Amino acid sequence: NAGVTQTPKFRVLKTGQSMTLLCAQDMNHEYMYWYRQDPGMGLRLIHYSVGEGTTAKGEVPDGYNVSRLKKQNFLLGLESAAPSQTSVYFCASSDRAGGSDTQYFGPGTRLTVL
Amino acid sequence: QQQVKQSPQSLIVQKGGISIINCAYENTAFDYFPWYQQFPGKGPALLIAIRPDVSEKKEGRFTISFNKSAKQFSLHIMDSQPGDSATYFCAALLDNYGQNFVFGPGTRLSVLP
Repeated sequence: NAGVTQTPKFRVLKTGQSMTLLCAQDMNHEYMYWYRQDPGMGLRLIHYSVGEGTTAKGEVPDGYNVSRLKKQNFLLGLESAAPSQTSVYFCASSDRAGGSDTQYFGPGTRLTVL
Repeated sequence: QQQVKQSPQSLIVQKGGISIINCAYENTAFDYFPWYQQFPGKGPALLIAIRPDVSEKKEGRFTISFNKSAKQFSLHIMDSQPGDSATYFCAALLDNYGQNFVFGPGTRLSVLP
């Protein structure tokens, strides 16, 4: 039982490049989330999904897209990276549909955009 | 109304002391208040959580105190240990369809040996 895993762990991009961050969970959770963490700002929700095939915008969705084609995977895409997207990205999942509000976080992806 | 304010930004405590972190919110529709602990290079992990129908919850050395009328809640770490040195985030959740999880900015706790 690996919990929530994220790939890659680190990435450096140049402005304008694109990339996809992969999140996978093996807990059969319906809900999945993408957050970004910046110094002094806590965690801010980018997008979330309440089930396979569904996605919704969070607090800071601009510049990001997501897809949830399989229940266990949640992908975060940056189509044209900007220096303002330099951050640590965390994926999380929860069994909210099953009555639990606990979110389980992955180890994070540190992204630098030059 | 969606913000959660957290203080202090950083905290230094001697081993064996009490660490206290405070959070305040505005939206009275929040109905779940967790605290997350994060070690460097790791993702946050749930430490303890409370719902507004109780005023206090204790798990080992960790206690949440909740004041519904003041819209404040706090984390108390008794007998603080160097291993408790981490960043702590409070959060609040709206119980609506989908989700509305709001995190505080975090408190960096250092427990000196």
